[in-house]
Amino acid sequence: EPEVTQTPSHQVTQMGQEVILRCVPISNHLYFYWYRQILGQKVEFLVSFYNNEISEKSEIFDDQFSVERPDGSNFTLKIRSTKLEDSAMYFCASSPDRVNTEAFFGQGTRLTVV
Amino acid sequence: DAKTTQPPSMDCAEGRAANLPCNHSTISGNEYVYWYRQIHSQGPQYIIHGLKNNETNEMASLIITEDRKSSTLILPHATLRDTAVYYCIVSVNAGNMLTFGGGTRLMVKP
Repeated sequence: EPEVTQTPSHQVTQMGQEVILRCVPISNHLYFYWYRQILGQKVEFLVSFYNNEISEKSEIFDDQFSVERPDGSNFTLKIRSTKLEDSAMYFCASSPDRVNTEAFFGQGTRLTVV
Repeated sequence: DAKTTQPPSMDCAEGRAANLPCNHSTISGNEYVYWYRQIHSQGPQYIIHGLKNNETNEMASLIITEDRKSSTLILPHATLRDTAVYYCIVSVNAGNMLTFGGGTRLMVKP
């Protein structure tokens, strides 16, 4: 079964450092998303991406965050200057269409900012 | 997206059907009912979705009331591996801006 893969599974970074989380969406999917989940809290939407541009973003997705699809397969989330409160599980997801279909989520990257 | 209400927790005996309710009284005509689950801290896993009609797949059945104000997810023969948090989400979109509430923590017991 096709799956969304995320690397690394766990990343530890120092406060103030830049971090890039990587995702390989399912190959024929057109819509890509990032979500995060702070430990013990709800899964929260960050951003959606289609046709090489951001289509929606939440209030969480401020100027510290950026997304990119640098080639035909990878989809990345960059956090420019990490803060302690950025520590969370970050989930990438993709879907073949915008409506009436399912989103496939990756297993997540646990980001720990120290 | 419309808001949903789910019981915070439920228990189910292994091998029995698990019936998870969800209220979405403010659902609008173009919004689908999606069910996802999350096992431990793994990524959310899609289960099923529907608009008006009842739906069934290899994992579960989704029963939507005629007025679409509530729905029930049915796991016909729950196993220990079905222990998870189950999220009912009402949305126009498949993956965009999904609102994960608190969900129902289903505990399947031997």
